[in-house]
Amino acid sequence: GEDVEQSLFLSVREGDSSVINCTYTDSSSTYLYWYKQEPGAGLQLLTYIFSNMDMKQDQRLTVLLNKKDKHLSLRIADTQTGDSAIYFCAEGGGDYKLSFGAGTTVTVRA
Amino acid sequence: DAGVIQSPRHEVTEMGQEVTLRCKPISGHDYLFWYRQTMMRGLELLIYFNNNVPIDDSGMPEDRFSAKMPNASFSTLKIQPSEPRDSAVYFCASSLDRSYYGYTFGSGTRLTVV
Repeated sequence: GEDVEQSLFLSVREGDSSVINCTYTDSSSTYLYWYKQEPGAGLQLLTYIFSNMDMKQDQRLTVLLNKKDKHLSLRIADTQTGDSAIYFCAEGGGDYKLSFGAGTTVTVRA
Repeated sequence: DAGVIQSPRHEVTEMGQEVTLRCKPISGHDYLFWYRQTMMRGLELLIYFNNNVPIDDSGMPEDRFSAKMPNASFSTLKIQPSEPRDSAVYFCASSLDRSYYGYTFGSGTRLTVV
């Protein structure tokens, strides 16, 4: 089976950058994803990166992938109160099932 | 597009009763997934379908759980009989074949078994 690990909590001041880290074990992972879950809602896909990429930037979001260390990170620039949520890292490979981490709860304080 | 639609949003039932959760995937998506989310175990994949056919049900916890997909636009997850430990949020998700864009999740059904 595949394991995806994340730290459980992150507290950040409004306006600062947030960095959420994730490690995975399946070296055959083809795609890696970041999802956001707001209270009472389902998971919303934020961004994704292919395993042959090192970095992807999308507005305030930057994804970094270190394939050698199987480490994925999500950086949110200029963090806002609306960014408070649970963030899930997920990886997918040939069998098309995604494996999700436990989620990192991000709290943005004023 | 209305997205993935799940019903009901909330369900409270007594132990021993039958519970049926419903899902309508996004039109044209040919993969459908059922997940369960709890504080203790996080997100667990229960079962997934491709073109209405169950592909992997290894995550279904026990025989009390069953899932069907009679057509491309509808799926059900049934628990019979329900137990308090089944209390969780159940999510349905759908995706296109070999989509690079991951899954689209519904808003979930919060099930409470008392």
